[in-house]
Amino acid sequence: QQQVKQSPQSLIVQKGGISIINCAYENTAFDYFPWYQQFPGKGPALLIAIRPDVSEKKEGRFTISFNKSAKQFSLHIMDSQPGDSATYFCAASKPGGGFKTIFGAGTRLFVKA
Amino acid sequence: GAGVSQSPSNKVTEKGKDVELRCDPISGHTALYWYRQRLGQGLEFLIYFQGNSAPDKSGLPSDRFSAERTGESVSTLTIQRTQQEDSAVYLCASSLVPSSGANVLTFGAGSRLTVL
Repeated sequence: QQQVKQSPQSLIVQKGGISIINCAYENTAFDYFPWYQQFPGKGPALLIAIRPDVSEKKEGRFTISFNKSAKQFSLHIMDSQPGDSATYFCAASKPGGGFKTIFGAGTRLFVKA
Repeated sequence: GAGVSQSPSNKVTEKGKDVELRCDPISGHTALYWYRQRLGQGLEFLIYFQGNSAPDKSGLPSDRFSAERTGESVSTLTIQRTQQEDSAVYLCASSLVPSSGANVLTFGAGSRLTVL
């Protein structure tokens, strides 16, 4: 119940294309769903996040789609650029300090120029 | 400081030696995490500290691994009798723990450990 399942493991997209990464969770107590972006040699950094009371959040070329009934959420990167090549992690957390944030296994994205 | 600071940034050690990795979290952040990341792999959870609660040690891979945290400040991850399979980047992250709303983790740049 604590797992967050992420797919695909790796993704190759042409420049200008749409990158889509999917995550699924089980525990309905999760109330915050962030995506982290990690470049080689760096720690992950928050990219965009969503709460379950909205179905979509958009920030520039990055959009999270959230399906509460299906317990799934996805990251869409529009007009993908070579600079977007990185590893992306979805995550989920619950309110309060008793529970740690749970991360997906990560997706390595490569955008071909 | 403004971010999470980890030291050393690189550590090369011989098999069998003990190593200590340090993490200085953002001031005021009550939660602190350690993760291990092998080359090209995901984040392997090791341990979670939250305030004065007992730490969640469920991710520590063996009794050679231990971690301490002094109050809500510095944490040290210790690996005893290092093995070659311990070679990885060790990432620390800290966060405020709001009763509701955004629970954002801020990661350090990591400590790269190489065991020869």
